Amino acid sequence: GDSVTQMEGPVTLSEEAFLTINCTYTATGYPSLFWYVQYPGEGLQLLLKATKADDKGSNKGFEATYRKETTSFHLEKGSVQVSDSAVYFCALSGAGGAQKLVFGQGTRLTINP
Amino acid sequence: GAVVSQHPSWVICKSGTSVKIECRSLDFQATTMFWYRQFPKQSLMLMATSNEGSKATYEQGVEKDKFLINHASLTLSTLTVTSAHPEDSSFYICSGGTSGIREQFFGPGTRLTVL
Repeated sequence: GDSVTQMEGPVTLSEEAFLTINCTYTATGYPSLFWYVQYPGEGLQLLLKATKADDKGSNKGFEATYRKETTSFHLEKGSVQVSDSAVYFCALSGAGGAQKLVFGQGTRLTINP
Repeated sequence: GAVVSQHPSWVICKSGTSVKIECRSLDFQATTMFWYRQFPKQSLMLMATSNEGSKATYEQGVEKDKFLINHASLTLSTLTVTSAHPEDSSFYICSGGTSGIREQFFGPGTRLTVL
């Protein structure tokens, strides 16, 4: 079945550092790919998405490119801030309709000032 | 747009009582709603998927008689935890989706504590 594997955390960085959180997936067909962010005590917020190969999703300085050849959707940000501290989930959705999401295990990110 | 609300945001109850959690799509019609459970520092576990007007489809290992899901309208789904016990304490999150769109819109979650 479909699956998502994320870089294990926790990840701790200093403010203004470069961030990469790796995400790879296994799926049949052409899934849509998502990054969600969860702040402490809150639900999930969509950070960015990509629906087809070579698409780049971007939001709030974060980027991720849908790489079909490497089945990856790595999350990057050039200069992180303390406010980026949260848990990040990579997810995929299969073809057609409002399909259920398959989540990675989540990566806890802490940014120190 | 695409806002989902949950009520209550947190609830504390005694063991053996039942608790109902509401999930509402405020500005779209959610043909499908999903219920997740999240344990501390873990990922989301899908409990069930419900389509408006139909019985919910439960994931393997989820007790359908314990976690009652109703999706009576395109804007409201409820999860009732029956005869709750301390091991049911968790963060419950719902999401809504619309046919033809591969995206779910998440509620803010409900923290349930069973004493």
